Amino acid sequence: GESVGLHLPTLSVQEGDNSIINCAYSNSASDYFIWYKQESGKGPQFIIDIRSNMDKRQGQRVTVLLNKTVKHLSLQIAATQPGDSAVYFCAETGGRRALTFGSGTRLQVQP
Amino acid sequence: GAVVSQHPSRVICKSGTSVKIECRSLDFQATTMFWYRQFPKQSLMLMATSNEGSKATYEQGVEKDKFLINHASLTLSTLTVTSAHPEDSSFYICSAAHGLPYEQYFGPGTRLTVT
Repeated sequence: GESVGLHLPTLSVQEGDNSIINCAYSNSASDYFIWYKQESGKGPQFIIDIRSNMDKRQGQRVTVLLNKTVKHLSLQIAATQPGDSAVYFCAETGGRRALTFGSGTRLQVQP
Repeated sequence: GAVVSQHPSRVICKSGTSVKIECRSLDFQATTMFWYRQFPKQSLMLMATSNEGSKATYEQGVEKDKFLINHASLTLSTLTVTSAHPEDSSFYICSAAHGLPYEQYFGPGTRLTVT
């Protein structure tokens, strides 16, 4: 994915609800995908990853789903908390390519 | 987990001057370091990839003579923005890897403001 400009898509959810953040990628050769969380003024923080031989992976309160057919990736956050408020980026790579980052989604959690 | 630091965290410089940003891997040897630039409300854009002891590989559109990268050791890479202009104001983030390129650990970023 490429940066899409000055307006980040925003997802606003109530505290305790589940959040789903989506990402589309274009390179069919990509075989490794990562979700990052970035808080304001900080570097990206690793959340969860998934390889192309899987379609689902679960972590603590987070699940990543991969649909290679439509080149779509999603991050599900269960019981969203105010501390989850941040910008979330997907990133993908394949072979020895450097990571390519998606455009990002801002998650706002309302208390 | 692996820790990557950047220094300074914030810097303000005058137009025409140069500024150096350091990226250090604190508890592992980084064979590869990456430099990204991030403008407000945008994603991370890779600027260059550097391997210890060799010249950096720059992404298309990134001026190698303006953004000098040195990766002199397995724990330190520096990015020097030469003859800085206000349009170079941005958030610069480094990452370090000690395996395949995707095993990257990110630094906290450096906010550069050119006045």
